Amino acid sequence: GESVGLHLPTLSVQEGDNSIINCAYSNSASDYFIWYKQESGKGPQFIIDIRSNMDKRQGQRVTVLLNKTVKHLSLQIAATQPGDSAVYFCAERSGGSYIPTFGRGTSLIVHP
Amino acid sequence: EAGVTQFPSHSVIEKGQTVTLRCDPISGHDNLYWYRRVMGKEIKFLLHFVKESKQDESGMPNNRFLAERTGGTYSTLKVQPAELEDSGVYFCASSPLGGGSGYTFGSGTRLTVV
Repeated sequence: GESVGLHLPTLSVQEGDNSIINCAYSNSASDYFIWYKQESGKGPQFIIDIRSNMDKRQGQRVTVLLNKTVKHLSLQIAATQPGDSAVYFCAERSGGSYIPTFGRGTSLIVHP
Repeated sequence: EAGVTQFPSHSVIEKGQTVTLRCDPISGHDNLYWYRRVMGKEIKFLLHFVKESKQDESGMPNNRFLAERTGGTYSTLKVQPAELEDSGVYFCASSPLGGGSGYTFGSGTRLTVV
């Protein structure tokens, strides 16, 4: 069936480095993508989103890249900080649905 | 503005017992969603309320799970009887009518069935 998944379950980086978290999706009808950050003991928190008519979107220290040809999504975090340590989920929606389909999540560990 | 509140934050129960999880959405949010994350896996959709009506309950695992939202305010999710595989973190989220990206999650209830 259709699925959203991640290439790496855990990513360890040094403080100050840039982080890249990858996500593959298989639903060719997906038209809206979201990245969530989940810190320990908290619920997922919206970080940034992108629609399928775009290939790049930037926020504060974060950039999302979308490659529809290979159905790949990435989240780039610049100058990673210890406070960025969390589990990051990609999610996709399609056909006007308000129900996102989540991936498994990648644990980002930032070492001071 | 108060966020989405879930209670309890943790629950440990024995197999066969009943547990009721509660979610208080953001005031005025007509959409309310329940999700579950089993350890190390993806966050899975359970069901969606619009006000007091179940809009989509396609993700409910089986009839041991019962969700209600009487009056269109807070919602409860009852598991009866609980099984070991029901262990996980149950998240609630709410959004205003019209949805968009305005999804706000609660902190979740960690359910452990022993």
